[in-house]
Amino acid sequence: KNEVEQSPQNLTAQEGEFITINCSYSVGISALHWLQQHPGGGIVSLFMLSSGKKKHGRLIATINIQEKHSSLHITASHPRDSAVYICAVSQGAQKLVFGQGTRLTINP
Amino acid sequence: DTEVTQTPKHLVMGMTNKKSLKCEQHMGHRAMYWYKQKAKKPPELMFVYSYEKLSINESVPSRFSPECPNSSLLNLHLHALQPEDSALYLCASSQDLRGYGYEQYFGPGTRLTVT
Repeated sequence: KNEVEQSPQNLTAQEGEFITINCSYSVGISALHWLQQHPGGGIVSLFMLSSGKKKHGRLIATINIQEKHSSLHITASHPRDSAVYICAVSQGAQKLVFGQGTRLTINP
Repeated sequence: DTEVTQTPKHLVMGMTNKKSLKCEQHMGHRAMYWYKQKAKKPPELMFVYSYEKLSINESVPSRFSPECPNSSLLNLHLHALQPEDSALYLCASSQDLRGYGYEQYFGPGTRLTVT
């Protein structure tokens, strides 16, 4: 069993829909990261959080430390949101443990 | 400037070649990373440098040789690679390694093909 599990692995939705991607982890962490990667591209850090909730534009990330669970929400989804979203956790001296990623496709 | 740059963007090399990948950041970050990413897989950590010293080597074969000549630059020297080493090589940096987790800033990657 992976230390970081994401669901779903693949998600296809229509433009405008509310999107939720989930991440569960089984190890102690110092922080949880949500990353975005467009096809063939580099990785962009969306959020780093250790408690509560963060919001940036149409993106919202939440974390529940007790339940070892985080969610990434996208409101009013748009085709440009199509990408792979990766959950990763920091353990100790900054080594990131990655989930397998969620491939999101938003159709117009 | 919150950018990590990597050169070259693409590299094709034969198994007997020697080449180098370069990564640069000017954010004053003191931790720098090399990752390898195969298609449809998450990145795999290769090396971490902290304050220009090698901090983590994830049992990477010696045909990959990292170098951190100063706090802004990170190189990955490649020699006698195998076709299975073909992948996207990502560089990242973060403020520091100690204590609380810091956000990592990733470069666009170098897509390496070994023929």
